[in-house]
Amino acid sequence: GENVEQHPSTLSVQEGDSAVIKCTYSDSASNYFPWYKQELGKRPQLIIDIRSNVGEKKDQRIAVTLNKTAKHFSLHITETQPEDSAVYFCAARGYGQNFVFGPGTRLSVLP
Amino acid sequence: SAVISQKPSRDICQRGTSLTIQCQVDSQVTMMFWYRQQPGQSLTLIATANQGSEATYESGFVIDKFPISRPNLTFSTLTVSNMSPEDSSIYLCSVEDDKQIGNTIYFGEGSWLTVV
Repeated sequence: GENVEQHPSTLSVQEGDSAVIKCTYSDSASNYFPWYKQELGKRPQLIIDIRSNVGEKKDQRIAVTLNKTAKHFSLHITETQPEDSAVYFCAARGYGQNFVFGPGTRLSVLP
Repeated sequence: SAVISQKPSRDICQRGTSLTIQCQVDSQVTMMFWYRQQPGQSLTLIATANQGSEATYESGFVIDKFPISRPNLTFSTLTVSNMSPEDSSIYLCSVEDDKQIGNTIYFGEGSWLTVV
């Protein structure tokens, strides 16, 4: 079955700097890769996603890149702000399969 | 996306008791799921709630411990039976948005259970 790894487990950046979180997956049949943000005490919320037929997707300060050959995808946050502090989860899914989530990255943006 | 309501949002439960969590969606959805998130951990799928038939459980989860109902396309319940402190977790209902390409999933607010 699918296995998703995520690095780093914790990340601290200064406000205004960029943050990058990387995930690797094992099943080459996986074709959909969402990212969720979970603030303390709240539900996970979808922030961006990418499908296997696309190499990069951007939405304002966040972007996701996908390397199918290497089986990894990354979340990029530019110009970080304190409200970006949260736990971020990546996930992978193949057609007809359930989502498999990474272990999460705790991002702290220091003012 | 669909509006997903869960209750209770939070509860403190006595060891050995059972608690039923309800999940209500504001529109009909084909796929509903139940996840568990233990403290400081990631999201683990418990089961897929199938409308009109028995739920499909993931490895490590059994019906006797986590019975699930899905009487219609907008509602599901998860019962956590014979609770122990190890069951202290957030339980999340989620639905698949099959109106969007890619069928991503969205989560309810979660039910935060503490077993004492």
